[in-house]
Amino acid sequence: SQTIHQWPATLVQPVGSPLSLECTVEGTSNPNLYWYRQAAGRGLQLLFYSVGIGQISSEVPQNLSASRPQDRQFILSSKKLLLSDSGFYLCAWSPNGPGYHNSPLHFGNGTRLTVT
Amino acid sequence: AQSVTQLGSHVSVSEGALVLLRCNYSSSVPPYLFWYVQYPNQGLQLLLKYTSAATLVKGINGFEAEFKKSETSFHLTKPSAHMSDAAEYFCAVSGPLIQGAQKLVFGQGTRLTINP
Repeated sequence: SQTIHQWPATLVQPVGSPLSLECTVEGTSNPNLYWYRQAAGRGLQLLFYSVGIGQISSEVPQNLSASRPQDRQFILSSKKLLLSDSGFYLCAWSPNGPGYHNSPLHFGNGTRLTVT
Repeated sequence: AQSVTQLGSHVSVSEGALVLLRCNYSSSVPPYLFWYVQYPNQGLQLLLKYTSAATLVKGINGFEAEFKKSETSFHLTKPSAHMSDAAEYFCAVSGPLIQGAQKLVFGQGTRLTINP
């Protein structure tokens, strides 16, 4: 079966510091990968998605970037964190390929980031 | 473009009572619809999905949802609430695949409280 791992679970970082959040998927190959952010009291906002190694699409302009160095690894980064980057970050995957057009997303347990 | 509106950011019911969480969607293409549940500090777990088969969809934990095209609704129900149902619930709609990626648009969420 497929599993998705995110780490760390919680992170407290000062303003201006760098960020690296990692997500890996096991049990599947060539998945679609996604980063969502959930701000307090708000819904989920899609930040980035990737359909393959090195292929990153950004949904909103922001202080963050994403990379996919390996098939099942997705990294969310920032060079200098802002206070507004605080939130709950969720990684998700969905199967890629014909016949999967109605597949749901499967989420990791999230990383709670607090920028101080 | 796709959008989701969840009516009521907070819903409170008594244990054993009917649970009704409302979701209305807007979609330019035949929609795929999903309900997710989120427990505190955890990721999202899929409850059920509508993928153009039966309009009444049964999910996990006794939940079900009915797709009504004429009302553009996909309300979530459970006949008898249990204390363990206390969580936040998200309705989501998918749009056309973008390079094979399943981009879900989420509602703002409804926090369900169960009173003993």
